[in-house]
Amino acid sequence: KAGVTQTPRYLIKTRGQQVTLSCSPISGHRSVSWYQQTPGQGLQFLFEYFSETQRNKGNFPGRFSGRQFSNSRSEMNVSTLELGDSALYLCASSLFGVGSTIYFGEGSWLTVV
Amino acid sequence: DAKTTQPPSMDCAEGRAANLPCNHSTISGNEYVYWYRQIHSQGPQYIIHGLKNNETNEMASLIITEDRKSSTLILPHATLRDTAVYYCIVSGEYDKVIFGPGTSLSVIP
Repeated sequence: KAGVTQTPRYLIKTRGQQVTLSCSPISGHRSVSWYQQTPGQGLQFLFEYFSETQRNKGNFPGRFSGRQFSNSRSEMNVSTLELGDSALYLCASSLFGVGSTIYFGEGSWLTVV
Repeated sequence: DAKTTQPPSMDCAEGRAANLPCNHSTISGNEYVYWYRQIHSQGPQYIIHGLKNNETNEMASLIITEDRKSSTLILPHATLRDTAVYYCIVSGEYDKVIFGPGTSLSVIP
């Protein structure tokens, strides 16, 4: 079956702009979580959604937001982009969250200039 | 913060077993031990997970100590393609999945 799909794979934005990243989970998976990965900070948890509800949230400012749709697809949005937001953004899906295996997509590379 | 500690780096000769340790001394009864790996610039890949018993699959074996305070991931016959960062994670149901810095494994020809 198809894996976790993230779009776009690469994008360049200017400081102050906003960006929306999309994630299509594996069919049947109801939990979607998002991570930011930078060389200096490693993999950091952003948030997790389950059945359209945010269930967990990491320590990121309010500029980072997300949502999940009824078909389990998820989007994350970053507003007022800063240079430090340049990172690989990874989406992961699982059947019901931790306790079930989490599968990652290949990520979206965001560069802020 | 991550609930695990791992050595920052390890080397392993190609064809030999790679044994990657992980300490999770504060693990609680309902928390699983997960292992993932990440090859440069790709999304992390699930390897194996366990609760109490040792587990084996086509990729690796997971040995969990009886007190569950530590575990070892074993890659039985390491190849160059196993060079990656390996993450050990401890998490219970509905918990955040928090990644530590992991162990950078280099498989040497």
